[in-house]
Amino acid sequence: KQEVTQIPAALSVPEGENLVLNCSFTDSAIYNLQWFRQDPGKGLTSLLLIQSSQREQTSGRLNASLDKSSGRSTLYIAASQPGDSATYLCAPQDPTGANNLFFGTGTRLTVIP
Amino acid sequence: DAGVIQSPRHEVTEMGQEVTLRCKPISGHNSLFWYRQTMMRGLELLIYFNNNVPIDDSGMPEDRFSAKMPNASFSTLKIQPSEPRDSAVYFCASSQIQGVNIQYFGAGTRLSVL
Repeated sequence: KQEVTQIPAALSVPEGENLVLNCSFTDSAIYNLQWFRQDPGKGLTSLLLIQSSQREQTSGRLNASLDKSSGRSTLYIAASQPGDSATYLCAPQDPTGANNLFFGTGTRLTVIP
Repeated sequence: DAGVIQSPRHEVTEMGQEVTLRCKPISGHNSLFWYRQTMMRGLELLIYFNNNVPIDDSGMPEDRFSAKMPNASFSTLKIQPSEPRDSAVYFCASSQIQGVNIQYFGAGTRLSVL
């Protein structure tokens, strides 16, 4: 079974800093990988999806990279803002095409004004 | 589209009672997933459907849990009888089977079993 680890578990940074969130997974045979954001008491919002053939994906201030062979993905957030405060979850996707996701425990980010 | 719609948003019940959680997926999506989130175990997949057919229910914790998808626009997750350890947030998500199959999540149902 796919095991997903996210480091650090919690991160606190001052506004304006660039930061990197790390995700590692045990089975490199993945289909896609999604990064989600979860605000307290809310559902998950998809931020980026990286297909297995891609190395990175960008959306605004967010950039996600994928290295399948080493079982790693990173989420880079540029010029962090207080509104970025949330828990960020990494989720590689089952390679059989079944579409189910395996979730890490997340990184709780706090951006201090 | 209104997104994935779950009801109720909050449910408080007593141990032993039957609980039914409901989900309406995004129109046109043909995969539906039920997840459970707890502080201890994080997000866990309970069951998922492709084209209304259950594909993998290995994540369903016990026989007390059952899920149905009678049509493409509706699914239920039932717990009977409920126990305090079932207290969690239950999420429903939907996606397309083929292509870039981003999963979209509902807002969740927060279940408290007393």
